[in-house]
Amino acid sequence: DQQVKQNSPSLSVQEGRISILNCDYTNSMFDYFLWYKKYPAEGPTFLISISSIKDKNEDGRFTVFLNKSAKHLSLHIVPSQPGDSAVYFCASRDYGGATNKLIFGTGTLLAVQP
Amino acid sequence: KAGVTQTPRYLIKTRGQQVTLSCSPISGHRSVSWYQQTPGQGLQFLFEYFSETQRNKGNFPGRFSGRQFSNSRSEMNVSTLELGDSALYLCASSLGPGNTEAFFGQGTRLTVV
Repeated sequence: DQQVKQNSPSLSVQEGRISILNCDYTNSMFDYFLWYKKYPAEGPTFLISISSIKDKNEDGRFTVFLNKSAKHLSLHIVPSQPGDSAVYFCASRDYGGATNKLIFGTGTLLAVQP
Repeated sequence: KAGVTQTPRYLIKTRGQQVTLSCSPISGHRSVSWYQQTPGQGLQFLFEYFSETQRNKGNFPGRFSGRQFSNSRSEMNVSTLELGDSALYLCASSLGPGNTEAFFGQGTRLTVV
């Protein structure tokens, strides 16, 4: 049973435009969410996170929005650059706090066209 | 500061064999987690170790096991390999339990033939 879902396997965006990657979760106990970026043949790289006590967190071109009532979060990349082309994973920390177990979505492949 | 080191990077094994993968976390990090990545399945949690103790285990058969040493280095072992075990195995290092900023290694690509 997939507790963290990324329903779009792929997304194509023009350079300079906004990329919006979406993620849904099913467990209302999840309290911390993260986005990772992964290039082929490399491990995932942490991008940005958000705690459930916030509804927005911004870091440069990356902004994550959390809608707890809808159990939905999204990652906005503005402006998109060709170097952003990668697989993006949404993840949630398994509730309980004293654990590093992360529950990942299946990923969205972002292609930014020059 | 050196990142997370996983060895070997690539491995080819035959069905029925066993394999051991190694992970050296970032210096000072004491928590190590393992994940399996297969196409279409995302990253699936295998285990989490802290201070040589397994704190959490994912939904994998008993053929998958692991351990952590006193220097925080970790190994995972898969016995009686099956074709479906072919995957990228990723290790993540964190300062300690509950510290969610996990740093991943490049992974070990295991192919079972």
